[in-house]
Amino acid sequence: DVKVTQSSRYLVKRTGEKVFLECVQDMDHENMFWYRQDPGLGLRLIYFSYDVKMKEKGDIPEGYSVSREKKERFSLILESASTNQTSMYLCASSSGTGAIQPQHFGDGTRLSIL
Amino acid sequence: GENVEQHPSTLSVQEGDSAVIKCTYSDSASNYFPWYKQELGKGPQLIIDIRSNVGEKKDQRIAVTLNKTAKHFSLHITETQPEDSAVYFCAASEISGTYKYIFGTGTRLKVLA
Repeated sequence: DVKVTQSSRYLVKRTGEKVFLECVQDMDHENMFWYRQDPGLGLRLIYFSYDVKMKEKGDIPEGYSVSREKKERFSLILESASTNQTSMYLCASSSGTGAIQPQHFGDGTRLSIL
Repeated sequence: GENVEQHPSTLSVQEGDSAVIKCTYSDSASNYFPWYKQELGKGPQLIIDIRSNVGEKKDQRIAVTLNKTAKHFSLHITETQPEDSAVYFCAASEISGTYKYIFGTGTRLKVLA
């Protein structure tokens, strides 16, 4: 089974702090994704990566950056956290070969910015 | 870009009854449609998916139907059980080669015992 592990289940940070959310997958997947989940809005794509050191903006990249130095690890960075970034953050991975494949999700990090 | 609408936002059914959740998509080039179940405190889990070359797919009590002409697809759960209570998300793939999905806004299903 694919395992996607997010380093923290709950995180509380202060406005202006630099925040790192970490995600690791164990299936040698090429593609990795960061989503934000808010009530009534579903899952919105922040950034994704289809290879090491590659990244592309999703639908809501403002205020975020990402890093993918190793194939199994994809980090989401909040450069200067703000209260409107309080949310559930979900990481996912999928195979990048052939036809589009299912995305596999971690259990999420609930981030509160005070 | 792709847009996915999902209805209803909440659904309550009696245990043993069927539940149907519907999604419409806007991009006729979409060719992959997964459904996810999210239980409290967990990430979304894939429960069934369908590709555009197939009209229907079943897995025990769960089925998905796809109407490419109308650009809509539906999740059907038969003989519902309390453990089916969760939030369900549909998704549609974006243009070929990007591996990205657009998600619907979710349906909270409650199965009443």
